[in-house]
Amino acid sequence: NAGVTQTPKFQVLKTGQSMTLQCAQDMNHEYMSWYRQDPGMGLRLIHYSVGAGITDQGEVPNGYNVSRSTTEDFPLRLLSAAPSQTSVYFCASSSRGNSPLHFGNGTRLTVT
Amino acid sequence: EDKVVQSPLSLVVHEGDTVTLNCSYEVTNFRSLLWYKQEKKAPTFLFMLTSSGIEKKSGRLSSILDKKELFSILNITATQTGDSAVYLCAVANYGQNFVFGPGTRLSVLP
Repeated sequence: NAGVTQTPKFQVLKTGQSMTLQCAQDMNHEYMSWYRQDPGMGLRLIHYSVGAGITDQGEVPNGYNVSRSTTEDFPLRLLSAAPSQTSVYFCASSSRGNSPLHFGNGTRLTVT
Repeated sequence: EDKVVQSPLSLVVHEGDTVTLNCSYEVTNFRSLLWYKQEKKAPTFLFMLTSSGIEKKSGRLSSILDKKELFSILNITATQTGDSAVYLCAVANYGQNFVFGPGTRLSVLP
């Protein structure tokens, strides 16, 4: 059972480039989310989805897009990368109801 | 705005010490409070608390929730160097969103 899988593990972008961070889970979880983690600021919610075809914004959505065409996949798109988006990104999922989040291993993104 | 505060932000102890980590929150439509341990990579789940006054225990770790005063504590007894990590507190609401605190960085010296 792979759990939550994120790719890539590391990425370096130049300002203005676009890219997609991939996230897949094999636990049939309905809820999926993206967080960014910056020093001293904990985990901040970017976007989330409560099921296929449904997405919503979190605390820090600007500069990011998501889609949820299947239950398993929840990619995060950076439209035009900026140095302020340098961070560690975590994808997480949980089942319906009162359940904990399960995290992927993160993607470390650097924008120069 | 939903908010989770943790204290202290950083703590250095020696092996064998007992530590108490604090988490307070202001969240609408509270559903549960969760504790995670984060070493080098992904946060790993420790406890989920939904009811006041009921202690959850796993080995040397224990946690309790006070829904009236809106806080929780995580206790670690007889600390070991392997307990060194960032401990994250999160609160879940009925929108199934999770709000995280900044974390407490615990360093356990041999």
